[in-house]
Amino acid sequence: QLQLQESGPGLVKPSETLSLTCAVSGAPLMSEIHYWAWVRQPPGKGLEWIGAINYSGNTYYDPSLKRRVTIFTDTSKMEFSLILTSVTAADTAVYYCARGRLLSDYFDYWGQGALATVSS
Amino acid sequence: QSVLTQPPSVSAAPGQRVTISCSGSSSNIGSKYVSWYQQVPGTAPKLLIYDTSERPSGIPDRFSGSKSGTSATLVITGLQTGDEADYYCGTWDNSLSIGVFGGGTKLTVL
Repeated sequence: QLQLQESGPGLVKPSETLSLTCAVSGAPLMSEIHYWAWVRQPPGKGLEWIGAINYSGNTYYDPSLKRRVTIFTDTSKMEFSLILTSVTAADTAVYYCARGRLLSDYFDYWGQGALATVSS
Repeated sequence: QSVLTQPPSVSAAPGQRVTISCSGSSSNIGSKYVSWYQQVPGTAPKLLIYDTSERPSGIPDRFSGSKSGTSATLVITGLQTGDEADYYCGTWDNSLSIGVFGGGTKLTVL
């Protein structure tokens, strides 16, 4: 059974960098039919698609975040990561990692979520 | 604003039927599969429907999905109090080359 687990600091100062990691277990990270994504949810609001990476290392980012976001995989550690620079209070959210299915574009497995608060 | 448009809330009595709409465009719903997610507050989203109308194993047939043109619909029949949650539609947008979600619909079972 695939499991995803997010980890990272719960508190980040404004203008600093948020780094989150998603540990993958129970399924291969390098899959030709899946991709790995980050989705966030600000308090009291809806889901926001941040970005994704496929088995070829191709990345896709939301245009509004593209200047500040990087997603990469570490196959030796079976994990993928999110880097978000120059954070502001608007980046406060629960961040989910998820597995996406290529072509169908649905997320079948999700992590439990990690709250990241941007505050001084 | 979300690329996909959902009603903020819907409500119905136990045992009744409710529909949740998701409106998009030719670059997303009109040309791609749609998925639906159920999220109980404080928990991660759960896949309800994939490939527009398919149910993952373990999802009861009370939940069904369909699409017509650039709009998709989630139908829940035989409503139960345990169905109270937020529901999101999702798909890929070919013009933006990103995944997109609807703004979410809060279901209240009266």
